[in-house]
Amino acid sequence: QVQLQQWGAGLLKPSETLSLTCAVFGGTFNDYYWSLIRQSPGKGLEWIGDINEGGSTNYNPSLKSRVTISVDTSKNQFSLKLHSVTAADTAVYYCARSFRPGSSGYYNNWGQGSLVTVSS
Amino acid sequence: AIQLTQSPSSLSASVGDRVTITCRASQGISSALAWYQQKPGKAPKLLIYDASILESGVPSRFSGSGSGTNFTLTISSLQPEDFATFYCQQFFSYHLTFGGGTQVEIK
Repeated sequence: QVQLQQWGAGLLKPSETLSLTCAVFGGTFNDYYWSLIRQSPGKGLEWIGDINEGGSTNYNPSLKSRVTISVDTSKNQFSLKLHSVTAADTAVYYCARSFRPGSSGYYNNWGQGSLVTVSS
Repeated sequence: AIQLTQSPSSLSASVGDRVTITCRASQGISSALAWYQQKPGKAPKLLIYDASILESGVPSRFSGSGSGTNFTLTISSLQPEDFATFYCQQFFSYHLTFGGGTQVEIK
C-alpha cells in the first residue's frame, strides 16, 4: 500500500518561497507520475504540476513562472518550490500519485495535505 | 484551459434517494474524466475514471456516464457515508482541471 507523507512550512510572508516535500513509502517509485495539487476556498482544486522519476515535469501554465518540482529517487521523494508567494497562494497543498503507471491524469493515492498560509 | 462546470453546486437529499450530479466541459474531452469524493479534512478519493469505470473497492451504487462534453455521476441509493463533496476532473488536456464541486447534504 503506497503512502505519501508530506511536510513543509505552514506560515509564510508575501514574497517568500513555499517549500513542500513529499516522501513515498511502499510500492514502486518508478513508472508513476508524482503530482502537486492545491485547494483553496476561492479557487477550489488546482493542479500545480507533476514529475516522473526521470525528472520530466509538467506545470500548470498559470503557475509555471513561479514553480519548480524536483525529484530525489534515492530517497523516494519529490518536492515543490513556489516562489514569490502572495495571499492568493494560501491553500491546502496535496501530494498525489498517478493512478496508472506511465501516465498522469488521475490520482488514487494522496498525502494528508498541508495547510500553507501566506500572511504579513 | 478546459473549464468544468458542475451542477448543482449543492443539494439536499435523504438516505435512499437517487442522486445525479452533472459535469459539463467547455470543449470535448472524450472520456478523459474522473470523479472524486471528498470529506471534510480529508484528501479527495478517486471513485470513477475514464468517465465510467469504477475504481476498485468503490461501492456499485456509484456509476458514471457520458463522453464529449456532458458527464454524470449517479448514486443509486444514497447512504449515510456518502454525504460529502464530489468533484469531476479532466485529463484530456495536460493542464488538468477540476470542477467547482457539488456538496451533498442530508435533508
